[in-house]
Amino acid sequence: DTGVSQNPRHKITKRGQNVTFRCDPISEHNRLYWYRQTLGQGPEFLTYFQNEAQLEKSRLLSDRFSAERPKGSFSTLEIQRTEQGDSAMYLCASSPGQNYGYTFGSGTRLTVV
Amino acid sequence: QKEVEQNSGPLSVPEGAIASLNCTYSDRGSQSFFWYRQYSGKSPELIMSIYSNGDKEDGRFTAQLNKASQYVSLLIRDSQPSDSATYLCAVINGAGSARQLTFGSGTQLTVLP
Repeated sequence: DTGVSQNPRHKITKRGQNVTFRCDPISEHNRLYWYRQTLGQGPEFLTYFQNEAQLEKSRLLSDRFSAERPKGSFSTLEIQRTEQGDSAMYLCASSPGQNYGYTFGSGTRLTVV
Repeated sequence: QKEVEQNSGPLSVPEGAIASLNCTYSDRGSQSFFWYRQYSGKSPELIMSIYSNGDKEDGRFTAQLNKASQYVSLLIRDSQPSDSATYLCAVINGAGSARQLTFGSGTQLTVLP
């Protein structure tokens, strides 16, 4: 399967703990995006990479959030000191260029208890 | 005003009918428009893209774009119960270098057998 892969699929963590998610995009795609989706809402943009460069971050991305794409391939999203409000589905997507639709991974569902 | 607006629904149609889903967007410079389908608990799946005014047909799906009215629609002909899902309208807005996808909150469609 050459789609977008995300791990883990589910994560339950206690408030205050740090969590890290991984995304492996489609190999030919140089653009990688992180989104967050809560129940009843559309996905909200968090951040975007073109190759290894992080080119944009949403104001939704507080300083507890950090994302990397060290070699322009896979990406990680870390949330430090998790809060209950961080509970959501975290979606990774990739695309081959600027005006193309994105291909989403299966997402990581985070529950903070 | 939200950047991308959709009627949240729910929209119910009988099997075999035409389902009509609507979306408006605020950024007049937007150039790329997409429809995603999202089943409950799953990630969004790209089903249609449209870039120029008019209609674009793909099987039972037709996307319609009117840039002057800032309006995008999706028609589903011969609706099937398997079409029951949330449909997300997404737009690549025209401003900024990243030009990421901005989503509406989705319209929930139920096709009744």
